[in-house]
Amino acid sequence: QQQVKQSPQSLIVQKGGISIINCAYENTAFDYFPWYQQFPGKGPALLIAIRPDVSEKKEGRFTISFNKSAKQFSLHIMDSQPGDSATYFCAVINTGTASKLTFGTGTRLQVTL
Amino acid sequence: DVKVTQSSRYLVKRTGEKVFLECVQDMDHENMFWYRQDPGLGLRLIYFSYDVKMKEKGDIPEGYSVSREKKERFSLILESASTNQTSMYLCASSPPGQGRGYYTFGSGTRLTVV
Repeated sequence: QQQVKQSPQSLIVQKGGISIINCAYENTAFDYFPWYQQFPGKGPALLIAIRPDVSEKKEGRFTISFNKSAKQFSLHIMDSQPGDSATYFCAVINTGTASKLTFGTGTRLQVTL
Repeated sequence: DVKVTQSSRYLVKRTGEKVFLECVQDMDHENMFWYRQDPGLGLRLIYFSYDVKMKEKGDIPEGYSVSREKKERFSLILESASTNQTSMYLCASSPPGQGRGYYTFGSGTRLTVV
């Protein structure tokens, strides 16, 4: 059973455009929703995360939008740059009961000039 | 900064060999994880450990075992390497409690089994 569904699988965006990656989850007990960014040849690194008591979190050009009723959250990258080209993973966890994250399948983002 | 160090970046092994992948973290994290990453399949959890000498199977434990004799070290063992275990292997660690979702990953070991 896939607990988190991520889309799209790949994304091409022009420099300066907005990149949007979506994730949908099923278990309402999840209480932490991070996004990880992975550059080629590197391990993933935590980019930004949100808890369900807020609907949006912004850090620089990166924003998470969270819709609790729809059980969806998304990553928006404003003014996308070639340096943002990477694979992005969403993840979910219930920090009170679980020891491990459940990851989405990843989105490969390419930002073109 | 938490550091997770994987002993090898690239490894080439022969079919049937016993392979050890080592991972060390330096921030006293309780939780440690081994993932493999393959194109189109995302991150798949092999095993994890939430304490010394404790281990839990992940989604794809077949053909693998793990060892955690010390808190900072988590080893992945391929008992008899096969070509379908050619992959990128990633180790991660995380603190307990509310910090559980904050993983720090190593840079990965790209294993090729020939």
